[in-house]
Amino acid sequence: QSALTQPASVSGSPGQSITISCTGTSSDVGTYNLVSWYQQHPGKAPKLMIYEVSKRPSGVSNRFSASKSGNTASLTISGLQAEDEGDYYCCSYAVGSTWVFGGGTKLTVL
Amino acid sequence: QVQLVESGGGVVQPGRSLRLSCAASGFIFSSYGMQWVRQAPGKGLEWVAAIWFDGTNPYYADSVRGRFTISRDNSKNTLYLQLNSLRGEDTAVYYCTRKTGSGSMAFDIWGQGTVVTVSS
Repeated sequence: QSALTQPASVSGSPGQSITISCTGTSSDVGTYNLVSWYQQHPGKAPKLMIYEVSKRPSGVSNRFSASKSGNTASLTISGLQAEDEGDYYCCSYAVGSTWVFGGGTKLTVL
Repeated sequence: QVQLVESGGGVVQPGRSLRLSCAASGFIFSSYGMQWVRQAPGKGLEWVAAIWFDGTNPYYADSVRGRFTISRDNSKNTLYLQLNSLRGEDTAVYYCTRKTGSGSMAFDIWGQGTVVTVSS
């Protein structure tokens, strides 16, 4: 149950696009199309942004998209807005009916 | 509206026990798997435990297996987490979460969290 690997931080200017990677193993990301992404603002509970690799829950902006290749999943935010600033976590279902989160990525909108 | 409200957190000495509760409302609690996720101060999210919709098949992270017990009472729409043999590294905000339906294995509803501090 080792944490998925994410970059500690990414940044971008308003209107630009950024991508956050999430690398796991064949025991989690590589085997299951069950990667989800969460946004967390300071002092708040996380919010589901993406599930099943690339699906958006109702109400989540289509500026958020995601994909997976092999053991690595990616979240892309296009048309960056100030409100996108926060922490982002990937999560994967894993062998043994467990879940594993990434270490988190702090997004700064310049 | 759909809501999860945690309670039971507090300051506890190492080695002692605590029970967290999570009251669910606004949805058919007995139809959903539930989970606990925690976040240590300044750290990332860590999955802790999961339980099926009917209270069977609990699963645990290696870091808590044998010390924590997840359970639920569907008649009371409440999820529980019994924390035993607490350690300093268990200090965290504990979130109750609902697992999405249809096998998506994601957490679509989160509570506001309850703080557990393990300190002598």
